[in-house]
Parts: sequence; structure tokens; C-alpha cells
Amino acid sequence: AQSVTQLDSQVPVFEEAPVELRCNYSSSVSVYLFWYVQYPNQGLQLLLKYLSGSTLVKGINGFEAEFNKSQTSFHLRKPSVHISDTAEYFCAVSVSGAGKSTFGDGTTLTVKP
Amino acid sequence: DTGVSQNPRHKITKRGQNVTFRCDPISEHNRLYWYRQTLGQGPEFLTYFQNEAQLEKSRLLSDRFSAERPKGSFSTLEIQRTEQGDSAMYLCASSFTSGDEQYFGPGTRLTVT
Repeated sequence: AQSVTQLDSQVPVFEEAPVELRCNYSSSVSVYLFWYVQYPNQGLQLLLKYLSGSTLVKGINGFEAEFNKSQTSFHLRKPSVHISDTAEYFCAVSVSGAGKSTFGDGTTLTVKP
Repeated sequence: DTGVSQNPRHKITKRGQNVTFRCDPISEHNRLYWYRQTLGQGPEFLTYFQNEAQLEKSRLLSDRFSAERPKGSFSTLEIQRTEQGDSAMYLCASSFTSGDEQYFGPGTRLTVT
């Protein structure tokens, strides 16, 4: 079975500061990795995904993530955040060839002016 | 393409009643997923379909829960004899295949009183 641990439940940060949201996963087989964002009263939206190839993945809204197989991590980063980035962020893993995704419990990013 | 839609958006019901939710996926997508999300947690996988075939059900899904996707298009999730513990947001998502981005609907919020 797969599991995902998001190491920080809440991350407060000032506007224009850099941010890193941490995600570790556990799996005995190859996985696909995802980061989703959820704004209040909305569904989840994909930020970026890692399927294979380059370990540095760039997504929407200036976010990027790096897949580290040896550390089983997939941390999300943004060099300069905006107020509009305030939202809940979820890391997810799915097994190659399977259907479901396993999600972490989320990290609430709060960007302060 | 209008995205994934879910109806109703909100449902309040009394304990013991049956409820049914509907999900309309993106029309070209073969796969359809149901997840449940409670406050402070990430989405938990319930079940998924490839076309009309239900390929996997979570052990979380008790006998009171049933899902269908009769023609490989829309899907319904029924909960019989609802309990207060069923109160949650029920999310539907669709995708082309495994490893692809899952597109989420806005969810149906169920409150059991």
C-alpha cells in the first residue's frame, strides 16, 4: 500500500517570500506523484505531476517540485508567493497502471501581506 | 468542455434516510473516481470505474454504499441508511487513463443530522 505524509499542516509566509511545502511518500513500487491545490469552496486543481523523466517538474502559477527517489520526497516550491496562493495544497501518489490516488492530509498555505 | 459536474452541491438529510449523488465527468474520459473528504483531511479513495466497469472498491466502502456507471458516462453514488459519520464532502473526478491528471468536480457536501 502507498502512503503520503505532508510534513506541515500549516505554513504561514509573507507575500513575495519563497515557500516550500514538504511531501514524503511510501511505496514499494513505481509511482506517479501529483500536487493539487484547493481554493475555498472549489474542487481540486492539478498544479503539477511527475510521471517519469526529469526529476524537476514545473507546474502552473510558478510552482515547481523535485522528485527525490532516494529520499522518497516530492517537495513543492515557489520562489515568490502572492496573496492569491493562499489555499490548501495536497500531495498525492498513484501506482503506475492503477487507478486510485492516495492523498496526504494537506498543507494550508497562508500568504500574509 | 464544461468540466466535471456534481449534483446536488449540498445535501442535508436525517439519519436513516437514503441519498443519491450524481457525477457527470468530462465526456471523453474513460475513468471516473469517487473520493470522500472530511474536514482537515485529504480525499480518501472510495471506488473507480473504467467505462461502465467498477474496477476497485475501497474497504472503507461499507455495504450501505453503492456506485454505478451504467452507460460509461455519468455515475451515481448512493448511501443507504445514512449515519452521522457519513457527513463529508463527496468528490468525483475523471481522467483518460492511469497516470493522467484527474479532473475534480466541486463536490457534494453531505450533512447527516
